[in-house]
Amino acid sequence: DTGVSQDPRHKITKRGQNVTFRCDPISEHNRLYWYRQTLGQGPEFLTYFQNEAQLEKSRLLSDRFSAERPKGSFSTLEIQRTEQGDSAMYLCASSPGYEQYFGPGTRLTVT
Amino acid sequence: DQQVKQNSPSLSVQEGRISILNCDYTNSMFDYFLWYKKYPAEGPTFLISISSIKDKNEDGRFTVFLNKSAKHLSLHIVPSQPGDSAVYFCAASAIGSYIPTFGRGTSLIVHP
Repeated sequence: DTGVSQDPRHKITKRGQNVTFRCDPISEHNRLYWYRQTLGQGPEFLTYFQNEAQLEKSRLLSDRFSAERPKGSFSTLEIQRTEQGDSAMYLCASSPGYEQYFGPGTRLTVT
Repeated sequence: DQQVKQNSPSLSVQEGRISILNCDYTNSMFDYFLWYKKYPAEGPTFLISISSIKDKNEDGRFTVFLNKSAKHLSLHIVPSQPGDSAVYFCAASAIGSYIPTFGRGTSLIVHP
């Protein structure tokens, strides 16, 4: 399977804890995106990498969120001091152009 | 302020008939439009796209129409099949941007 993979698929954490998610993109894709999706909404852009460079971050993105893509391969998204409002599906996508290929997502529940 | 609007949260269609999903946008800088399909517990899957230099793009049972003057696009599925039951997202990218803005989605149910 050469699609986008995400790990873990589900994460339950207590408020105030830190969590880290991993995304492995399709290997030949140089663009990688993180989105957040809540019920009844479309994917909401968080941040975007081209190779290892983080080119854009949503102005809605709290400074508790950080993302990395070392060596332009896999990426991690870390949320520090989680809040209940962070509960959502976190989607990763990779792309060679305009069309994006999404992973299955990581569902985060903050209790 | 939603720049990409899918005003119908849901649509129910009989198998074999046409499904028409609509999308409106407000940003005149959008020049590339995409449709994604999403099944429960999966990420969205790219379906079809259209550039603003075209007004129609067809791929098998799926056709996207773009009306730039009305800032409106639609996805036609003919004939509809039960396996098409999913949430469909419209997305748009501005000139020179690879970051799409998504609508809220329309849930399509195709009845056998």
